[in-house]
Amino acid sequence: EPEVTQTPSHQVTQMGQEVILRCVPISNHLYFYWYRQILGQKVEFLVSFYNNEISEKSEIFDDQFSVERPDGSNFTLKIRSTKLEDSAMYFCASSAAGTVRDTQYFGPGTRLTVL
Amino acid sequence: AQKVTQAQTEISVVEKEDVTLDCVYETRDTTYYLFWYKQPPSGELVFLIRRNSFDEQNEISGRYSWNFQKSTSSFNFTITASQVVDSAVYFCALSENASGSRLTFGEGTQLTVNP
Repeated sequence: EPEVTQTPSHQVTQMGQEVILRCVPISNHLYFYWYRQILGQKVEFLVSFYNNEISEKSEIFDDQFSVERPDGSNFTLKIRSTKLEDSAMYFCASSAAGTVRDTQYFGPGTRLTVL
Repeated sequence: AQKVTQAQTEISVVEKEDVTLDCVYETRDTTYYLFWYKQPPSGELVFLIRRNSFDEQNEISGRYSWNFQKSTSSFNFTITASQVVDSAVYFCALSENASGSRLTFGEGTQLTVNP
């Protein structure tokens, strides 16, 4: 069964450093997403991406964040100058289309720890 | 604005008991979808079910069943004859037409099934 994969599973970085989180969406899906979950809290939407453009972003997704599809398979989230409060689990998701009815399938997550 | 409330923070049951997880949502949209996801201790988010706002038919899948009632804006999830492997955090989520494809998650309910 196709699945979303994410690497690395755990990333530790120093405050102020840049990190890139990587995702490989399900191969025939066209819409990609990033969500984050601060430890013990709910999952929050960050950004959606389609056709090499951001479709929608939340208020959390500020200039510190960027997304990119560098090739035909990867989808990345870059966090510039990480802060302590960026420590969270980051989930990538993908869906076949981007309508309200499309199920988003999630990857296993990358746990980011900022020291 | 959309909102999902899962009032039960934690539930603890003994194996073989039935358990119902509550979900109440708010939306001004007439077209929306509701989802349940499971997050086991390993951390990934596993899709369980999707229902649309026009289909109030309840659904049963094995030991799982879902009760969708628009009149009370609720989408409750019942596990029959619970098992230890059902122990996880369960998230209810909402996707509404007016908000694009973003999912809004509830706070989650930690279910612990004891042997």
